[in-house]
Amino acid sequence: ILNVEQSPQSLHVQEGDSTNFTCSFPSSNFYALHWYRWETAKSPEALFVMTLNGDEKKKGRISATLNTKEGYSYLYIKGSQPEDSATYLCAFRDTDKLIFGTGTRLQVFP
Amino acid sequence: NAGVTQTPKFQVLKTGQSMTLQCAQDMNHNSMYWYRQDPGMGLRLIYYSASEGTTDKGEVPNGYNVSRLNKREFSLRLESAAPSQTSVYFCASSATGGRYGYTFGSGTRLTVV
Repeated sequence: ILNVEQSPQSLHVQEGDSTNFTCSFPSSNFYALHWYRWETAKSPEALFVMTLNGDEKKKGRISATLNTKEGYSYLYIKGSQPEDSATYLCAFRDTDKLIFGTGTRLQVFP
Repeated sequence: NAGVTQTPKFQVLKTGQSMTLQCAQDMNHNSMYWYRQDPGMGLRLIYYSASEGTTDKGEVPNGYNVSRLNKREFSLRLESAAPSQTSVYFCASSATGGRYGYTFGSGTRLTVV
């Protein structure tokens, strides 16, 4: 079974702080790496789908980078806001399905 | 545009009872998936259907069966529910290969007593 690891498990930051999380995945047979945002009592929502080594994607204050050779991706949030509080999931595409990590739970305090 | 619709939202079963969780998508996606979410475990794949007419086991298929009824619908059946199947179940769909990401339903919270 392929292993996708995320760190840290949880993070508490103050409003305005910038933060980042890590996703580690198998570096062989790479197809794609996904990031999702999952708010409490809602469903996961796709943030990024990354396919190329060196990819960098951005959506507002959130960005992600990808290193397929060493098997990691970083998610960055610049100037965190309370509405960024959520669990951030990464998922590794294994042929025709996604294997999810356990997520990083972010709480942003005003 | 409803996206992915799951029913029911909540269910309580007694051990040994059976039930079917329904999932339908209106995005013309080829692929559909069933995940379960347990505390500290993340989302684990139960079964998936890469295209209409095919189904495959995921990481935790024991105790479940699935049916890809047509392109829109993918159901998950528990034949004889066990307390270990208490979980939140999510259905998802995607274009082939998931290249635009998965779209998830709102989840079904199932309790087996």
